[in-house]
Order: sequence, then C-alpha cells, then structure tokens
Amino acid sequence: GAVVSQHPSWVICKSGTSVKIECRSLDFQATTMFWYRQFPKQSLMLMATSNEGSKATYEQGVEKDKFLINHASLTLSTLTVTSAHPEDSSFYICSANPFRGRPSYEQYFGPGTRLTVT
Amino acid sequence: DQQVKQNSPSLSVQEGRISILNCDYTNSMFDYFLWYKKYPAEGPTFLISISSIKDKNEDGRFTVFLNKSAKHLSLHIVPSQPGDSAVYFCAASSSGGSNYKLTFGKGTLLTVNP
Repeated sequence: GAVVSQHPSWVICKSGTSVKIECRSLDFQATTMFWYRQFPKQSLMLMATSNEGSKATYEQGVEKDKFLINHASLTLSTLTVTSAHPEDSSFYICSANPFRGRPSYEQYFGPGTRLTVT
Repeated sequence: DQQVKQNSPSLSVQEGRISILNCDYTNSMFDYFLWYKKYPAEGPTFLISISSIKDKNEDGRFTVFLNKSAKHLSLHIVPSQPGDSAVYFCAASSSGGSNYKLTFGKGTLLTVNP
C-alpha cells in the first residue's frame, strides 16, 4: 500500500510554455501533499505544501505565480510550471501524507518527473 | 543555512560488513528523524524513523541511533548487501511546525561491493 504516482515521468518543453505535473495517491487519501525539486547531487528542496481544498503554502524564495499548485481532491495534486525557462529544468518529486485522523510524519513519495526546458 | 547535514557524500563498504551513515542537525526544534533510500530517477522510499524520546530504533538489518545532546544520528546497516547500494537521505521534522514538513540532508551515496 501507500503508492504515489506521478505523471508524466519525464517531459521536454520549449521555453515559454507551461507544463503540468500530476501527483496521485493510488490507495490512500492524502490531506497534505508536498512538492520538492532536486538538482543533481543536491538535497530535495521543499517547494510548497498543498492541503486539499485550500491554497498551497510556498517556501521562501519559491514564486507562487510561476509554480501553480492545485490540490482539488484527496488523491490528486497538480504542479504547473508556467512560462518555463531552462533554469526550471530539474527533477520534481511529490509526496503525500496519509489521512489517518491525526497529524503524521509519514510521507510517501512519487517516482519523480524529469523536466527539461529547451 | 543547512539545518540537516550529511557530511559524507559517499561511502563504500564490502558486502557483509557494517555500513554507518551519519547525519547532524542544527535545529533543536526537530523531534522526529527519518531515513530514506533513493535510487536514481526514483522517489525516496522510507526506511526507518526515530522519535526524539528514544535513542535507538531497530528494524531488521537497519538501526538508527540518536544522540540528542550532540544533535547527531546515524543509520547502521548490518550486514550490508549489494542491493543496499543507493543514496541515503536523512530527514528531520518538528511537531511544532505546520504540516510536519521534512527537511532533508544532501544524501550519502552508499556503494556495497560484492
């Protein structure tokens, strides 16, 4: 159990276009989902925390108008990279926090999405 | 300012021996610590965790030790197996924060040689 999927697994887009990445919890409900990005040989950097039905909370330095997050249901969160530029090329990973009626440290991660902006 | 530090970018161990991965933290508000394993182009998978009220937690071949006074934790893998070769991330969280966010270290690449 506790499987998280991401789609697409990799995407190449042209500079100036927008890209949407989906994160789904397949066998559990998630009130909270997290979006990370990882540069080569670097740590996972938290970009934002997304709660179902409310606005996402962005980490300092992350542009909320550039990285649009929507958490429309208990099993789906989306990250849209708007007007993508080459510096947005990265590995984007989502995680989901299972709803168990109480706060939890558990986070189950998706397989990641490799974004390349040309 | 890195609040979770893994100072060894890589570690190489012989199969059957013990692997010891280290992690230091600076934020005294952290009260829960986790270890994740990650293969290239995949998301991290949870390995083991420990609460700050404990100093040791064991699960099969994996044991995590926590030294709160030193703000240091370590992951012991024994015996090490070639399939353990991966990047290991240490993560920390604070129950006083919102949404139980995780702060990750940069990871240590473990290579277990047959």
